Amino acid sequence: AQKVTQAQTEISVVEKEDVTLDCVYETRDTTYYLFWYKQPPSGELVFLIRRNSFDEQNEISGRYSWNFQKSTSSFNFTITASQVVDSAVYFCALNQLGNTGKLIFGQGTTLQVKP
Amino acid sequence: GAGVSQTPSNKVTEKGKYVELRCDPISGHTALYWYRQSLGQGPEFLIYFQGTGAADDSGLPNDRFFAVRPEGSVSTLKIQRTERGDSAVYLCASSLTGENTEAFFGQGTRLTVV
Repeated sequence: AQKVTQAQTEISVVEKEDVTLDCVYETRDTTYYLFWYKQPPSGELVFLIRRNSFDEQNEISGRYSWNFQKSTSSFNFTITASQVVDSAVYFCALNQLGNTGKLIFGQGTTLQVKP
Repeated sequence: GAGVSQTPSNKVTEKGKYVELRCDPISGHTALYWYRQSLGQGPEFLIYFQGTGAADDSGLPNDRFFAVRPEGSVSTLKIQRTERGDSAVYLCASSLTGENTEAFFGQGTRLTVV
């Protein structure tokens, strides 16, 4: 069975602080994809990153960075120097390579960045 | 438009009524997905279309839920004999091919059954 766990329900930080959102996944598949999506108050899910299971290299995109560790089945997301506009619900998701592309989502982490 | 469009944005219906939710995917995207998101939860997969056919409907909760995509573009999610537990945000997404390509989501339809 596939499962994604985001243990942090809500996180509150002050602007310019760094914050890490945790994601732990379970799968029996050897090949799979991991995703992060952002859901602002408007409700639309915004794609942030996709990482396949063969690529454990960490990725940085501006203030965002992702740490994929297969040994601990984790795919954590760090926002550096957070801004008020980063306030949203963030979802980690998993799907099986070669499958239909359907996503298994975690419960989400609500991030509040205060000015 | 350029993105995935869902209508209506909000729908309030009485228990027992029939509702239809519409999704207009990005032009040229062959894959289309419906998800349901309850308050405080992540989206849950309902059904996946590849072209006109439902390739995976394993997430549909029961036979009151049905979806179609007759021309391989617009899709309609249909819910019969609505129950209060059906209240949720229904999200539609489309992707170019479906094989782990990026899925683009619409803003959802908030369904409230009273």
